[in-house]
Amino acid sequence: AQRVTQPEKLLSVFKGAPVELKCNYSYSGSPELFWYVQYSRQRLQLLLRHISRESIKGFTADLNKGETSFHLKKPFAQEEDSAMYYCALSGAGSGNTPLVFGKGTRLSVIA
Amino acid sequence: DAGVIQSPRHEVTEMGQEVTLRCKPISGHDYLFWYRQTMMRGLELLIYFNNNVPIDDSGMPEDRFSAKMPNASFSTLKIQPSEPRDSAVYFCASRGIRTEAFFGQGTRLTVV
Repeated sequence: AQRVTQPEKLLSVFKGAPVELKCNYSYSGSPELFWYVQYSRQRLQLLLRHISRESIKGFTADLNKGETSFHLKKPFAQEEDSAMYYCALSGAGSGNTPLVFGKGTRLSVIA
Repeated sequence: DAGVIQSPRHEVTEMGQEVTLRCKPISGHDYLFWYRQTMMRGLELLIYFNNNVPIDDSGMPEDRFSAKMPNASFSTLKIQPSEPRDSAVYFCASRGIRTEAFFGQGTRLTVV
């Protein structure tokens, strides 16, 4: 069964502090992992996907298959990073299986 | 392309009434998904379509919920009769073969 776990519902950090949003997954095949962000009362939008291996808005995430994790990191948090962050999983290479989301972590960056 | 378009943005209705939510996916996308977002349960997949055909509706909570996709550019999610516990934000998303999922702005449903 596909499952995505985000253990923290809320994470508060001070501006300039490092951020790590945790994501663990369960999937029997080869997953494709994503991070989506939702700013206040806006639509979800893709932040990054593991196959791109890129950094967006200073955020990075590395897929660790041994630990089945895909944690989102940023070295220096900014106030505009305050938002809801969702980790999501999709089956890779077998068509477009739907995204399964974690319950989300609300990041609050304090000035 | 204007992206995934949902209507209405907000809907307030009385318990027992029928509610219809609408979605226009991005042109050329083969997959369409309906999600429900609540504080308690996060984002839940309700149903998804591939080339207008429903593939998996196991997430639809009850028979009161139904979804259709009569053509590639339109889908509806209907709740009949609605109940207060259906209050949530309903998102529609579409995806192409090699793209990520793009979400609409959601419909905030309040059933009183």
